[in-house]
This record gives sequence, structure tokens and C-alpha cells, in this order.
Amino acid sequence: DIQMTQSPSTLSASVGDRVTITCRASQSISSWLAWYQQKPGKAPKLLIYKASSLESGVPSRFSGSGSGTEFTLTISSLQPDDFATYYCQQYNSYSFGPGTKVDIK
Amino acid sequence: EVQLVESGGGLVQPGRSLRLSCAASGFTFDDYAMHWVRQAPGKGLEWVSGISWNSGSIGYADSVKGRFTISRDNAKNSLYLQMNSLRAEDTALYYCAKDSGYSYGQGYFDYWGQGTLVTVSS
Repeated sequence: DIQMTQSPSTLSASVGDRVTITCRASQSISSWLAWYQQKPGKAPKLLIYKASSLESGVPSRFSGSGSGTEFTLTISSLQPDDFATYYCQQYNSYSFGPGTKVDIK
Repeated sequence: EVQLVESGGGLVQPGRSLRLSCAASGFTFDDYAMHWVRQAPGKGLEWVSGISWNSGSIGYADSVKGRFTISRDNAKNSLYLQMNSLRAEDTALYYCAKDSGYSYGQGYFDYWGQGTLVTVSS
């Protein structure tokens, strides 16, 4: 089974900050990685697929990079609507990372 | 507009069964694989099961293998999850999710329902 890890588990940041979240896979997954955003009481929302492709309608301040076993999600300038929990997922066998909560500093 | 509406959750005793349903609309249901994902209270996301467009490929998480059965009825635009031998650790919000592709093992989840809550307790 492919295990996914994320760091940090919690991130405190301010509006306007550049934020980076790291996701690592226990074995190579090529670029088969997606990022989701989840707000309290809501379903997850797709942000990024194939490691770096931006889902339609997602603001361009979100970007993804990486391949193989190491990936990053970057928010270039954090907005009030971005405070949420972010999950990575490999879609060879579908396991999710444990999540990174982005809260207000 | 893509809509996924889950139903069938509730309070059930350990060892009993429950069947979840997901009604899909707004897209050609039999063109896409589908999945169930769960989230225990205050915890992260856990993929539960997935099924290809024609039910030819199916997969389960180890935690539910042998107890849960996924199925779909393309004529009714519906996805199902039969859950048997339920345990307290199965307590979670269960989401139905649409795959980006038709096959199992190749796609990400581009649409999600709002979930149905399953509580396993005596």
C-alpha cells in the first residue's frame, strides 16, 4: 500500500502570506496526485490534479508541483477564504494524506 | 450541474447492516467510475471503495474488505454501498465521489456529495 504523509500538520499564517504544504508518497506515484480543500461541515473540493494542473474555477493563487514521491501545494497570497484543511491524494490506489490545517495566525 | 446526493445513513448497532445510496445527476453516470470516501468525526479522509463505469473493476480499503460491497445501477444513475458486520470504527460521514475517468485506478475525484452520517453504537 502507498502511504501518504503531509507536513506541517498545522500551519498558522496571515492574509497575504505565501504558504507551502508538502506531501510525500512512500513510493513513486509519477504525477498521479491531487489536492483538495475542505472547510468545516463541507465536502472536499478539488483544487489540483495530476500534481500541477489547476481545476477549472480554482483561483490562480493555488499551484502544485512535484513528481515521483515529493509534492507541494503553494498558495501565493493567502486569502480569508483559504483558511481550511488541505489533503493530498494519490490516485493509483487512492490513499489520502492526513491533512494540513491552515489557520489564522 | 453535477449533483451527488447520499442517503441511507443512520444509527445502527454493532454487527448489523446498512445500505447507503448515492443518486447522481447532471452528468452521464455510466461514463465514470465512482467511489465512497469516509471521514470519522474530527478525522481525515479515508477512501473506502471504488467501482469502474461498468462494474468490471472494484476495489476496497483493507479496513472494509470482506464486509462492505460496492455496486452501481447505471439505469438508475445510482451508486450503493452495502455495509455488513458494522463496527464502532465505521462511524463516519460517508461521501459519494465522482471519478474524473471511467476506469478504476486512474482518476481523481472531481465532484463530491454532502455525505450521509453512519453511527455504529449500541
